[in-house]
Amino acid sequence: IAGITQAPTSQILAAGRRMTLRCTQDMRHNAMYWYRQDLGLGLRLIHYSNTAGTTGKGEVPDGYSVSRANTDDFPLTLASAVPSQTSVYFCASSDSQNTGELFFGEGSRLTV
Amino acid sequence: GQNIDQPTEMTATEGAIVQINCTYQTSGFNGLFWYQQHAGEAPTFLSYNVLDGLEEKGRFSSFLSRSKGYSYLLLKELQMKDSASYLCAVTDSNYQLIWGAGTKLIIKP
Repeated sequence: IAGITQAPTSQILAAGRRMTLRCTQDMRHNAMYWYRQDLGLGLRLIHYSNTAGTTGKGEVPDGYSVSRANTDDFPLTLASAVPSQTSVYFCASSDSQNTGELFFGEGSRLTV
Repeated sequence: GQNIDQPTEMTATEGAIVQINCTYQTSGFNGLFWYQQHAGEAPTFLSYNVLDGLEEKGRFSSFLSRSKGYSYLLLKELQMKDSASYLCAVTDSNYQLIWGAGTKLIIKP
């Protein structure tokens, strides 16, 4: 089934540990995004990539890093998890930068 | 600063009509999106407006007025499955997507 896949679905992580959230899409979309969603707040952009080989910082990038080695994969890494990074993380992709429909993964619920 | 405003919560009755408003102040405008998000699930695309006017898609319609910085999502013939959060988002002049906090819609029988 075509779409965007995230893993893990849910994770409990001790503070200070390193964690990588995986995201893979098979739609050949150029743009990919990582968002976090917290109760009462809108989706907040962490990092984005407009095309393979390039990445950019979003609204809340501190404590997170990304890479885009190829079109399909866009992993998000927390180098040293802190309790404020407890959130639901959504990966998304689109064919064109923010003027086309975003396709979201099912989300990864992370508890630190 | 850039801002998207929408009501936090609304309640409506099954079979009725509800209008969810969204106002925005952004640096430029390159389109407005509405997404639906059921509890515990990912957002899914509903509509996209870039020109003024009404876009109709089945029971859902979305309206845009760029001069007023205003949009609404109109849901007709409400069904229980329409209980969800509705997210408004605007693409600004730098092609960054600015999200509202969402409106939680509760449908009562």
